[in-house]
Amino acid sequence: DGGITQSPKYLFRKEGQNVTLSCEQNLNHDAMYWYRQDPGQGLRLIYYSQIVNDFQKGDIAEGYSVSREKKESFPLTVTSAQKNPTAFYLCASSIYRHYNSPLHFGNGTRLTVT
Amino acid sequence: DQQVKQNSPSLSVQEGRISILNCDYTNSMFDYFLWYKKYPAEGPTFLISISSIKDKNEDGRFTVFLNKSAKHLSLHIVPSQPGDSAVYFCATLQGGSEKLVFGKGTKLTVNP
Repeated sequence: DGGITQSPKYLFRKEGQNVTLSCEQNLNHDAMYWYRQDPGQGLRLIYYSQIVNDFQKGDIAEGYSVSREKKESFPLTVTSAQKNPTAFYLCASSIYRHYNSPLHFGNGTRLTVT
Repeated sequence: DQQVKQNSPSLSVQEGRISILNCDYTNSMFDYFLWYKKYPAEGPTFLISISSIKDKNEDGRFTVFLNKSAKHLSLHIVPSQPGDSAVYFCATLQGGSEKLVFGKGTKLTVNP
């Protein structure tokens, strides 16, 4: 079955530590995205990548970094510079253009930083 | 400033009745609109979409209406079922952009 796998489902870290969230897709999609969801908030775009070895900042990229070395993988690193890292993180993918190609989301990683 | 507003955080309806979820947007350049459904602790799943050249799109029990002059879209679910209970997000896209803009969501509860 094709889909997007995010791991782990729950992640706990101490303040000041960097942490990397995994996202893998086997849908052969070109574009991948990272969103963040906070309680009572919509999804906010952190980073996106339309092709391998290329990515762009979204609306809230500060304190985050990404890489896109393989088409299937788009890991997100939450650095110690991110002021409020505790959130629900969602990875998504789509065929290159959104039109007629809605986002497919993973089931998310809930990150708690204490 | 929010570009996409879902002014009702929650909505409760009886099974079998119609559910109407509303969404307003501010940018007249948005030309593609989508609805996503999200269960707790899961990722959103795509439900239905509409482009700005249409004013209505229907898929089974789900119909999306677009009123461009009012910058308003709505999702109608008829008849509502308990399994429809979820958070519904509207999202919009401007032509040429890869960045979907999401509303804050409306939590729908369908009571048996």
